[in-house]
Amino acid sequence: EPEVTQTPSHQVTQMGQEVILRCVPISNHLYFYWYRQILGQKVEFLVSFYNNEISEKSEIFDDQFSVERPDGSNFTLKIRSTKLEDSAMYFCASSLGVLNTEAFFGQGTRLTVV
Amino acid sequence: RKEVEQDPGPFNVPEGATVAFNCTYSNSASQSFFWYRQDCRKEPKLLMSVYSSGNEDGRFTAQLNRASQYISLLIRDSKLSDSATYLCVLEPRGATNKLIFGTGTLLAVQP
Repeated sequence: EPEVTQTPSHQVTQMGQEVILRCVPISNHLYFYWYRQILGQKVEFLVSFYNNEISEKSEIFDDQFSVERPDGSNFTLKIRSTKLEDSAMYFCASSLGVLNTEAFFGQGTRLTVV
Repeated sequence: RKEVEQDPGPFNVPEGATVAFNCTYSNSASQSFFWYRQDCRKEPKLLMSVYSSGNEDGRFTAQLNRASQYISLLIRDSKLSDSATYLCVLEPRGATNKLIFGTGTLLAVQP
């Protein structure tokens, strides 16, 4: 069964460092997303990406964050100058379309900022 | 008012019990509705979409009441494997499949 894969599964970084979280969406999907979940809290939308550009982003997704699809298969989330409060589980997701189309989530990357 | 509100639980029920979860939402323009399941420290997985006419998938029944802005999930004959957090999720109208999640309701099915 096709799945969304994320690497690494766990990333520890020092405050102020840059991290890149990687995702390989399902191959024929066209829409890609990043969500985050702070421990004990709800899943929050960060950004959606279609046709090589951001289609929507949340208030959380400020200048500290960027996304890229560098090679047609990987979809990355870059977090610059990490803060303690960036510690969370980051989920990548992809979907074939929109409007009541299932989004498939990767297993997540647990980011710990120390 | 929160966009999606759920009772966090936990709901502790014996195997075989019937349990119901409720969810309310504030944006009347919300377009699509779902129940997702999330196991501890795992990714959310789609359980079922929710339609205005109500829909059933095996032991699971979902209902949507747009007038009351209310969604429900009924689980019959609970299994130990049903233990998880159940997330009420909506997709706002006009959004590009952006999903808005509730905080979830924790279900613990006891042997």
